[in-house]
Parts: sequence; C-alpha cells; structure tokens
Amino acid sequence: NAGVMQNPRHLVRRRGQEARLRCSPMKGHSHVYWYRQLPEEGLKFMVYLQKENIIDESGMPKERFSAEFPKEGPSILRIQQVVRGDSAAYFCASSVRQGADTEAFFGQGTRLTVV
Amino acid sequence: QQQVKQSPQSLIVQKGGISIINCAYENTAFDYFPWYQQFPGKGPALLIAIRPDVSEKKEGRFTISFNKSAKQFSLHIMDSQPGDSATYFCAARTGGSRLTFGEGTQLTVNP
Repeated sequence: NAGVMQNPRHLVRRRGQEARLRCSPMKGHSHVYWYRQLPEEGLKFMVYLQKENIIDESGMPKERFSAEFPKEGPSILRIQQVVRGDSAAYFCASSVRQGADTEAFFGQGTRLTVV
Repeated sequence: QQQVKQSPQSLIVQKGGISIINCAYENTAFDYFPWYQQFPGKGPALLIAIRPDVSEKKEGRFTISFNKSAKQFSLHIMDSQPGDSATYFCAARTGGSRLTFGEGTQLTVNP
C-alpha cells in the first residue's frame, strides 16, 4: 500500500508561469488536505477536499490559487502567475474519513522555487 | 484563537538526555493533539497523539503530557538519541478537519 504520492518533488517556475502540483492519496482515502510550509516555519492549512468537493478553502489565497480533487485521478493544486513569495514546500495529506482520531498521512511534498 | 504556540524554537540535548517541547493553545474546541516528526526533505510523520480526556500517553520513549485546564501539552523524549534529531511540530484539530500546527522545534541530539 503506497503512501501519499506527490509529484513533482521539485518544481522550478519563472515568475508569471503556472505551477501544477499533484497529489495521489493513499488507497481508500477520499479526504485530501493541502498545506504550505515556508522556510523555517510550520505548516499552514490551505484547503480540504473530498472527492469532487471543496469542503474548506479558508486557507487559500483569494487569487491565483485553486484546487480540485476529481472523481478520477489525483488532487491538483494550481498556482497561476507565480510570484517569488509562492516559493515554499507544499504538502498534501490524506485520510480515510473525517473524525476526531483519524490520522492524516503526509506526502513527501513538492518544493516550488520561483525564479 | 486558532493558533498553537510552540517552544522552544530550537533545542540541543546530549545523547541519553530528556528532550521537552511545549505547546499552548486557546481554542477549547480542539479535540485531538498530535505531534509530528519531520526530517529534512521529508513530509511530517505522526509520532504520537492524545485526546483531551487523557492526561498522559506514552509510546516507547515518547510521552505526551496534557493539561486541559492550562491549555498546554508537551512532548517528552526520554533517552534522546542522535537519530531523534529532527524538527518536531505540535498540532491541534477540531472534529477531524484541518490541523493547526505550531511553529516547530528543531531538535539536535549530540552524540
């Protein structure tokens, strides 16, 4: 049973380009969470999705950022017109359900560098 | 009110010593308090977690102490080893939704 798979592991984009980050949850997991980690900081929640639905996007910047989790395929975090401040590690976590004791398993992250 | 405050920011311990990391929270609706361990270039991995109806939980060398009235919880690593050198994050969650993380503690265990 593979863990949470994120790709690419490293992504370099020039300012103004688009970044697409992919997350395949663990088998059987239908809940996906995206977090951003700036250098030397903790993880900040961005968005929580269940298959085909956005449950909580309160941590997402209002512009340029979007996320989806289609019925088939991985969850995608999309950043349009990237700026240097978007450089960070982006982590995806998945869980089998929503519940007080439900563990969320994290992927290895995608390290985005905007040049 | 959603914040979780973590201290210290960095910690150096000798091999065999006890590492103690502290966290405090404000939101009384939090009902799940996990600790994560993160090595450089890796994602966070769950170490140990506790519910607020329990004051202490121990798993091997790792113990969480929880003080509900003070809204504080701490991680104790007994007999610290160089392999424990990593960044540790406390977190809190309500109702199985998103995690709110502390700022992290960089632990270095000297041989």
